[in-house]
Amino acid sequence: DTAVSQTPKYLVTQMGNDKSIKCEQNLGHDTMYWYKQDSKKFLKIMFSYNNKELIINETVPNRFSPKSPDKAHLNLHINSLELGDSAVYFCASSQAMTGNQETQYFGPGTRLLVL
Amino acid sequence: AQRVTQPEKLLSVFKGAPVELKCNYSYSGSPELFWYVQYSRQRLQLLLRHISRESIKGFTADLNKGETSFHLKKPFAQEEDSAMYYCALSGDTGNQFYFGTGTSLTVIP
Repeated sequence: DTAVSQTPKYLVTQMGNDKSIKCEQNLGHDTMYWYKQDSKKFLKIMFSYNNKELIINETVPNRFSPKSPDKAHLNLHINSLELGDSAVYFCASSQAMTGNQETQYFGPGTRLLVL
Repeated sequence: AQRVTQPEKLLSVFKGAPVELKCNYSYSGSPELFWYVQYSRQRLQLLLRHISRESIKGFTADLNKGETSFHLKKPFAQEEDSAMYYCALSGDTGNQFYFGTGTSLTVIP
């Protein structure tokens, strides 16, 4: 009965490789997010999709490309991985985006290590 | 199993009143606890972490290992404190980071 799931949990790869992280939510939510957590535990939003449409696209290198095949999935593709991409990436979902009443449900995170 | 529990989804207090946002956790090792805050239409941001033992914007939180709690407190609530607050736990082994479901705080003028 996992609400927001991410795969893989751990990802170790070499610089220059292309990798994907998958996210799925079974909550019936309309909005999904990708966050990057840096070494100081700060969470930074990267992207947000609402009903498969890109809503938020923060200043993120264009090597990062989100793809939402349907509103229950938001995958993150990363091309030409760099050392600085090493971090924990969190997926989240919420029913809608408006106001601060919407609870975001977070996935368990994917720890990416680029060697 | 739910690692982090925030029992109150919504909490309303009057301006100037004390506020306490509850957080309980379940973890057998030595976790690190955090509070994140998300103001309306803004990104989620770190408010404080228990190892810093600091006070941010008048908020404090003490880790009580006996009660496995990390409640967030402020003696006098302000209108600008209205936001969504998330309690989070970082495990002591590898990729473990758990968020609570959040508490929406409304400070009534």
